[in-house]
Amino acid sequence: AQSVAQPEDQVNVAEGNPLTVKCTYSVSGNPYLFWYVQYPNRGLQFLLKYITGDNLVKGSYGFEAEFNKSQTSFHLKKPSALVSDSALYFCAVRDMGRAGGFKTIFGAGTRLFVKA
Amino acid sequence: DSGVTQTPKHLITATGQRVTLRCSPRSGDLSVYWYQQSLDQGLQFLIQYYNGEERAKGNILERFSAQQFPDLHSELNLSSLELGDSALYFCASSVQGDQPQHFGDGTRLSIL
Repeated sequence: AQSVAQPEDQVNVAEGNPLTVKCTYSVSGNPYLFWYVQYPNRGLQFLLKYITGDNLVKGSYGFEAEFNKSQTSFHLKKPSALVSDSALYFCAVRDMGRAGGFKTIFGAGTRLFVKA
Repeated sequence: DSGVTQTPKHLITATGQRVTLRCSPRSGDLSVYWYQQSLDQGLQFLIQYYNGEERAKGNILERFSAQQFPDLHSELNLSSLELGDSALYFCASSVQGDQPQHFGDGTRLSIL
């Protein structure tokens, strides 16, 4: 079965510094990987996805993620953090359902705090 | 605004009761997904429907059921409620199953 792991419960960075939120995955076959963000009392918002192609994926709000097949990682990055980036970040992988559908398996989430 | 509407936003009920959560997907989206988010279990996939048909099943209890109607809205039915069912329940939708999902703001269910 597919799975993702987010090894850090929390990441703290200063505003203006680069940020990295880590994710590793375990899949059989080609990975379909996603990053979502959740703000308080809101649903998740899609940031970016990797299906195939360039290992560096650019997404919303200046975020990007680097796919590394040899390290089975898909880390989320941003060159310069903003206080407004403070939120809960989820890495996810797509898995196939028995009836041909798709289920998305989410990591436990990493809380990002950006200090002014 | 994701375009996904969930009602009600909050629901308070007692153990043993039954509730129905409703989701209207984003216009044009055929796939609907249900998730449960709790502090101890994280975000758990429950079930996916595509154009009215069940397509994928996750960690959904037998006390829970869902359906997607011809107008594509979906309902999640939770019965014989237990204290541990207290959680945020999210609905998401996508055009097709392998596309990014758009999430509603959830229904917060509290069991007393």
